[in-house]
Amino acid sequence: DAKTTQPPSMDCAEGRAANLPCNHSTISGNEYVYWYRQIHSQGPQYIIHGLKNNETNEMASLIITEDRKSSTLILPHATLRDTAVYYCIVRVGNNDMRFGAGTRLTVKP
Amino acid sequence: GAVVSQHPSWVICKSGTSVKIECRSLDFQATTMFWYRQFPKQSLMLMATSNEGSKATYEQGVEKDKFLINHASLTLSTLTVTSAHPEDSSFYICSARPGAEGFATNEKLFFGSGTQLSVL
Repeated sequence: DAKTTQPPSMDCAEGRAANLPCNHSTISGNEYVYWYRQIHSQGPQYIIHGLKNNETNEMASLIITEDRKSSTLILPHATLRDTAVYYCIVRVGNNDMRFGAGTRLTVKP
Repeated sequence: GAVVSQHPSWVICKSGTSVKIECRSLDFQATTMFWYRQFPKQSLMLMATSNEGSKATYEQGVEKDKFLINHASLTLSTLTVTSAHPEDSSFYICSARPGAEGFATNEKLFFGSGTQLSVL
């Protein structure tokens, strides 16, 4: 599976949008982009995933560039409870899921 | 959504003893389950993949005789840390992948809440 690169940490003001970038320049045509987050001492929580088109659900939006080499996770109105480590993962089909270092997002009041 | 239950959530044991961790898919059948280990301030590291009814596949560097995995049914996988030592102290997390029937080929994984193991 392709590697991903994320900034190690980001801050966001409460109530503002949090935009988390991810580079996956070696992604292949059949690899999906997944986003999970992990709040301290808990298991990862699924957020969203996509292949080519932008996706939106009740938690977030996923914007994938046309060349698919990067993506952005958007939390539209961040709250303090969104403070977590966010992982961007690329994965083929039903293969295992391998985690990189992720981005530690801190939402500040 | 699908739920994965992991038990116990934390365990303390003496060095040299064995500890069993259970991972259950509560409302779906999981043909494949994955076991991860996470040290403080580090990311999740995949340890092994278990398929129901067959032997687990271990990642390079993970001792299969130390970390015994059993996936005897479609809803239960267990990880046994044998002869645990302090360096085995870690956060262990399982995840489950639903079976093919009724789920897309790109179905997301569902994760348990993790087990914090402390070996004294």
